[in-house]
Amino acid sequence: AQTVTQSQPEMSVQEAETVTLSCTYDTSESDYYLFWYKQPPSRQMILVIRQEAYKQQNATENRFSVNFQKAAKSFSLKISDSQLGDAAMYFCAYRSLFGNEKLTFGTGTRLTIIP
Amino acid sequence: DTEVTQTPKHLVMGMTNKKSLKCEQHMGHRAMYWYKQKAKKPPELMFVYSYEKLSINESVPSRFSPECPNSSLLNLHLHALQPEDSALYLCASSQEVQEGNTIYFGEGSWLTVV
Repeated sequence: AQTVTQSQPEMSVQEAETVTLSCTYDTSESDYYLFWYKQPPSRQMILVIRQEAYKQQNATENRFSVNFQKAAKSFSLKISDSQLGDAAMYFCAYRSLFGNEKLTFGTGTRLTIIP
Repeated sequence: DTEVTQTPKHLVMGMTNKKSLKCEQHMGHRAMYWYKQKAKKPPELMFVYSYEKLSINESVPSRFSPECPNSSLLNLHLHALQPEDSALYLCASSQEVQEGNTIYFGEGSWLTVV
């Protein structure tokens, strides 16, 4: 079974600065998908970014980018130019490529933005 | 436009009540999901529907009864719940169950059992 670990329960960053959230995972599969979801106080889970394991290139979405290290099974999220609206719980998640409907979540990192 | 809508946003029910949570998506997705989320925890999968058929039941107690009337709608019928069932219930959908398709979530329904 796959596991996802987020070792930082809480992080804080000054507005306009850059912050990196860590995520590691354990799997025996060679192909899979990784996601970062954001859950603000409104509680809706919002997709931030997605990475296909077979792609070498790190995914980027505006101010959000990932550092995907397949051999190390690491998938960190970098948020540049942090904004007040980035304050949320961030969940890292894993999904198998085939035959597994489950989205396996990490325990989350609560990000606070300091004005 | 990725949108999954859930109603009601908030629900308070007694332990003897029968109520339902509703979910709708108009993205043409063929897979729909129910997740349960307790405070400060990640979501936990409850049920998966693929092409309107139940494909996964994560050993959920029978007091929770899912229903998929058509490919756009997903209901969760609630009966004889316990206070520990109080949680945020998230509906989600994806284009297909397999192939790692992205799962899109609704805003959730807050359920309080008294």
